[in-house]
Amino acid sequence: GNSVTQMEGPVTLSEEAFLTINCTYTATGYPSLFWYVQYPGEGLQLLLKATKADDKGSNKGFEATYRKETTSFHLEKGSVQVSDSAVYFCALSDLDNNDMRFGAGTRLTVKP
Amino acid sequence: NAGVMQNPRHLVRRRGQEARLRCSPMKGHSHVYWYRQLPEEGLKFMVYLQKENIIDESGMPKERFSAEFPKEGPSILRIQQVVRGDSAAYFCASSPPGLAGGTGELFFGEGSRLTVL
Repeated sequence: GNSVTQMEGPVTLSEEAFLTINCTYTATGYPSLFWYVQYPGEGLQLLLKATKADDKGSNKGFEATYRKETTSFHLEKGSVQVSDSAVYFCALSDLDNNDMRFGAGTRLTVKP
Repeated sequence: NAGVMQNPRHLVRRRGQEARLRCSPMKGHSHVYWYRQLPEEGLKFMVYLQKENIIDESGMPKERFSAEFPKEGPSILRIQQVVRGDSAAYFCASSPPGLAGGTGELFFGEGSRLTVL
């Protein structure tokens, strides 16, 4: 079945450092890919998405490119801020099966 | 335009009691998903429902857990005879028919945090 594997955390960075959180997927069909973010004490919010190969999703300085050849959707940000501290979840949806699956989540802590 | 509403936000139960968690999806949404998040762990899929129908319950424990989404009213996740290991945050998400009309985006509630004493 469909699944998502993402880099285990926790990840601790200093402010203004470069961030990469790896995500790879296994899927039949043509899934859409997502990154969700969960701030402390809150539910998940959509951060960005890409619906087909080579699409780049971007929001709030975060980017991820849908790479079909490597089945990856790595999250990047050039300069993190303390306010980016949260848990980040990679996810995929397979519209043919109405199926939505999440990775285990990666906790990011950014220190001033 | 209210988002996904979950209640209660916090629930405390003693071992052996029942827990009922409610989720009202966003207006116009007919698909509901339940996920469980254990402390310091990721999000685990439990069940996916449409109105009056369970579509996928492959993530639900075989015993004590049940879910429903009636024609009228909220979706309910029911845990009977709770044990300490059931302590977790339970998140509900909703989408329009066909997984958000093709975008696949889910809209999450703020979660219900169950503590079993």
